[in-house]
Amino acid sequence: GQSLEQPSEVTAVEGAIVQMNCTYQTSGFYGLSWYQQHDGGAPTFLSYNALDGLEETGRFSSFLSRSDSYGYLLLQELQMKDSASYFCAVRDRGNTPLVFGKGTRLSVIA
Amino acid sequence: DGGITQSPKYLFRKEGQNVTLSCEQNLNHDAMYWYRQDPGQGLRLIYYSQIVNDFQKGDIAEGYSVSREKKESFPLTVTSAQKNPTAFYLCASSDPSGSEYFGPGTRLTVL
Repeated sequence: GQSLEQPSEVTAVEGAIVQMNCTYQTSGFYGLSWYQQHDGGAPTFLSYNALDGLEETGRFSSFLSRSDSYGYLLLQELQMKDSASYFCAVRDRGNTPLVFGKGTRLSVIA
Repeated sequence: DGGITQSPKYLFRKEGQNVTLSCEQNLNHDAMYWYRQDPGQGLRLIYYSQIVNDFQKGDIAEGYSVSREKKESFPLTVTSAQKNPTAFYLCASSDPSGSEYFGPGTRLTVL
């Protein structure tokens, strides 16, 4: 089976940096993805890590350590619009569905 | 514009009724998925299809049915056998790299 653990809630100040962690247990591993979901909306794809290391896209960075079965999403220069739920998801092999964590709800405060 | 469309956006069902949720994509993706999301929860897989005329059960398939007669379409039927169908239903498709892209969702409420 597969399972993913994420903290349920995080609060951070506007302009600051926040890190949201994800640990996973899978029989196989075919990459770690991150999605953002605003209240009432659909998830939108943020990033994908297949190999160890850091991937950067603007204010968003995602990190993966396959040996530790661990990854994180880093958001810099936080803005109020970043308040949303963030889900990590894994695929245990190619062409199989993603399995999602329960998500971390990020609240950005002034 | 390429994308995934779902209809209707809101759906109300009486107990004992079957209802069908539409999902269409013009991204030319082979794989399509249906997820259910309950308030404050993650996404749980109902059914998925990797190719036309083939589909597989996900983790919570009981009370649901699907068809995949065309590459572009993957409708989901919520049957009367689904005891607690009130939820947000999301359809997705994936590109060859495996990244999944979601439609806007259908919010189903049982009256």
